[in-house]
Amino acid sequence: GESVGLHLPTLSVQEGDNSIINCAYSNSASDYFIWYKQESGKGPQFIIDIRSNMDKRQGQRVTVLLNKTVKHLSLQIAATQPGDSAVYFCAEYGNFGNEKLTFGTGTRLTIIP
Amino acid sequence: EAQVTQNPRYLITVTGKKLTVTCSQNMNHEYMSWYRQDPGLGLRQIYYSMNVEVTDKGDVPEGYKVSRKEKRNFPLILESPSPNQTSLYFCASSLLYNSPLHFGNGTRLTVT
Repeated sequence: GESVGLHLPTLSVQEGDNSIINCAYSNSASDYFIWYKQESGKGPQFIIDIRSNMDKRQGQRVTVLLNKTVKHLSLQIAATQPGDSAVYFCAEYGNFGNEKLTFGTGTRLTIIP
Repeated sequence: EAQVTQNPRYLITVTGKKLTVTCSQNMNHEYMSWYRQDPGLGLRQIYYSMNVEVTDKGDVPEGYKVSRKEKRNFPLILESPSPNQTSLYFCASSLLYNSPLHFGNGTRLTVT
């Protein structure tokens, strides 16, 4: 079956360092990917997205990389801050005719002061 | 303020007692969806709606109903709740399908 998963369930990073969160997906027909951040007691918040015709996209302190060859997605957070501590999810949209959004199980990022 | 509002935030009920969780968005979004979040399983889609009067099953629709009579509202109905529906529920909306979702702050449901 189709799945979206994460390599590591937890990640601890020193404040100020860069962090990388990885995600593998199995549906090669997926054409839109999103990273969400979920803080305790809140719903997921959109961070950054990327479409399958791109391999890199940058936002403020965040970069998403997409490797369609190996079906791998990563989120890079530069100069991490305490407020970056949260659970991060990747999510994958099926293409037209399969309008379903599938989430990975999440990685908990902890920033060490 | 643009937002998705769910009510209630917390709900404790007993097996078999019908309940409704309301969801409303003020962004004129076409797409709305319900998810449940369980430890180790992540977010799983229950139902979604591409527009008014258009709904479809997600990954885990059994035991749930939805309706989309108006664009802004997308209630989740549990006709006969069971303990395995104890979970954290999120409603979300987006302008269109395959654009970023805006999530509500969740409803924690406990069925005893």
